Amino acid sequence: SQQGEEDPQALSIQEGENATMNCSYKTSINNLQWYRQNSGRGLVHLILIRSNEREKHSGRLRVTLDTSKKSSSLLITASRAADTASYFCAAWGGKSTFGDGTTLTVKP
Amino acid sequence: DAGVIQSPRHEVTEMGQEVTLRCKPISGHDYLFWYRQTMMRGLELLIYFNNNVPIDDSGMPEDRFSAKMPNASFSTLKIQPSEPRDSAVYFCASSLVITFQTSSDGELFFGEGSRLTVL
Repeated sequence: SQQGEEDPQALSIQEGENATMNCSYKTSINNLQWYRQNSGRGLVHLILIRSNEREKHSGRLRVTLDTSKKSSSLLITASRAADTASYFCAAWGGKSTFGDGTTLTVKP
Repeated sequence: DAGVIQSPRHEVTEMGQEVTLRCKPISGHDYLFWYRQTMMRGLELLIYFNNNVPIDDSGMPEDRFSAKMPNASFSTLKIQPSEPRDSAVYFCASSLVITFQTSSDGELFFGEGSRLTVL
């Protein structure tokens, strides 16, 4: 089974709204990473949060990590049409395992 | 740097044929990964190398799959013989340091992928 599981599977919002995606994992991790994949392209690293961190910011991205609940969330604020993509979490612990991703559609 | 370079971008072949996918990692990166992405199974780690040595190939689906890294700037993933269920997008990724053991492990840099269709 996948170490990272994203929720929801698909999310559709209007430009300017915030988008929140969640990730759950099963075992202990060293860090958790979020990646973005545009259609037909490779994955691009967005942000990494270490197991001893609770929150991290990068531009319009905010990531939280709750190791007690084995979950993470990715918040994209003030979304843009260009944010339309699939977003994956990767739990790093023993072996990297990617979830199935959340497909985000931002309507202009 | 040009990033991770994969070839071919698209490959269509018939069942039973040999398929070879190629990857050039980012110069200076010590780790190279091969992933497979399908709708059904998502993104799966097939094998990864450290300093050209295979470290973990437990994700390789079966003996029809083999991977080599003859030098720091080149790796191949070979499927022989290919089957329709091998149809997928195969990604190569490289990284400076990945141990899966520390909280400082950094990012993977992915190529654009090789889309394989086996008829």
